[in-house]
Amino acid sequence: SQELEQSPQSLIVQEGKNLTINCTSSKTLYGLYWYKQKYGEGLIFLMMLQKGGEEKSHEKITAKLDEKKQQSSLHITASQPSHAGIYLCGADKTGANNLFFGTGTRLTVIP
Amino acid sequence: DTEVTQTPKHLVMGMTNKKSLKCEQHMGHRAMYWYKQKAKKPPELMFVYSYEKLSINESVPSRFSPECPNSSLLNLHLHALQPEDSALYLCASSQPDLTSGGAWGTHEQYFGPGTRLTVT
Repeated sequence: SQELEQSPQSLIVQEGKNLTINCTSSKTLYGLYWYKQKYGEGLIFLMMLQKGGEEKSHEKITAKLDEKKQQSSLHITASQPSHAGIYLCGADKTGANNLFFGTGTRLTVIP
Repeated sequence: DTEVTQTPKHLVMGMTNKKSLKCEQHMGHRAMYWYKQKAKKPPELMFVYSYEKLSINESVPSRFSPECPNSSLLNLHLHALQPEDSALYLCASSQPDLTSGGAWGTHEQYFGPGTRLTVT
């Protein structure tokens, strides 16, 4: 079965620092979603990547999908306390809205 | 309006109780989902409704019974739950993926804040 592995599992950074979170798939991805979750709350959609080599940015967050479509990275520039939370990558199993998620990365930003 | 609402926010129930979780969206989405999330784990898909019809059931025990009475509402009926069913239950909605045969779903899902369920 397909799996999504995220690294690191947790990350503590000083405010203003840059950071990268990785998501690796055991199989070729048809596409990839990034979500953010505050503890005990719902997920907030960040970005979706579909094509090999694709890169998208929103505010200080940039996500990339590699050419082979088996790895994605999420990069945050000049981190802020508001970036703290759990970042989840997700992929669709069958193309029929059947989303499954990676293991998650817990980000703490120290003011 | 890009909001998915869920009620109640918290629920404590005994193993013999019957209760229901409710989810509502007014974005015109025709796909709705239930996920279960245990502590420090990612959400796991339980059910998918597409055009008010159940399209995916991820082998969920029958003590969980989903219902989609109309395109805006999704319920999850709970009966005879076990303590291990305690979790955060998340509802989501999206436009349905109309492609077939392993093609990629192109529509992001919008999540509600969740119902934290404790079974005693």
